[in-house]
Amino acid sequence: EVQLLESGGGLVQPGGSLRLSCAASGFTFSSHSMNWVRQTPGKGLEWVSGITINGGKTYYADSVKGRFTISRDNSKSTLYLQMNSLRVEDTAIYYCAKGYRYLDYWGQGTLITVSS
Amino acid sequence: QSALTQPASVSGSPGQSITISCTGTSSDVGGYNYVSWYQQHPGKAPKLLIYDVSYRPSGVSNRFSGSKSGNTASLTISGLQAEDETEYYCSLYTSSSSLVFGGGTKLTVL
Repeated sequence: EVQLLESGGGLVQPGGSLRLSCAASGFTFSSHSMNWVRQTPGKGLEWVSGITINGGKTYYADSVKGRFTISRDNSKSTLYLQMNSLRVEDTAIYYCAKGYRYLDYWGQGTLITVSS
Repeated sequence: QSALTQPASVSGSPGQSITISCTGTSSDVGGYNYVSWYQQHPGKAPKLLIYDVSYRPSGVSNRFSGSKSGNTASLTISGLQAEDETEYYCSLYTSSSSLVFGGGTKLTVL
């Protein structure tokens, strides 16, 4: 059974940093592209970032480019999202999701609240 | 990349069929067959319903189907059931290797 378990969420002040992790199991992690998608409570979905199978290529939404960094450790089957210079508008539930053209498995999400 | 346009809400009666549209441009939806659809119940993660315009993952009911005409992709749900009442999102894999989502459509089963 495919499982994606996010962790690292919480409350952070504007300008602060946070690192999210997504532990994957139930599939060959190193063979699949991965993504982060966020959702403001009560609002729609926004793709944040994607990474290829070996981490050689990374992609970002304009809204986070230069502030967020996606990475992966295939030996640990874990996806990461380093978030710096956080803004109030980054407040959202962050999901990790498997795939590239489409996202066939999603984690349950972790809530990030950016507030003073 | 602009968000894809979906109707804010649609409704139908049990047993009926409804269609949710997802409109883009000739440069995105019209140019590529990389449209996917997701169902999201409140407090839950999205679930993949359709990929590559019209393909259904194993385990997804055949009441869900996808199609595309020109710059508009569509999700059709036939034989509406009460459990179908929730939010639906379309998505497109773009030429810049990013994903863009529609604004979401709330389906009400009357």
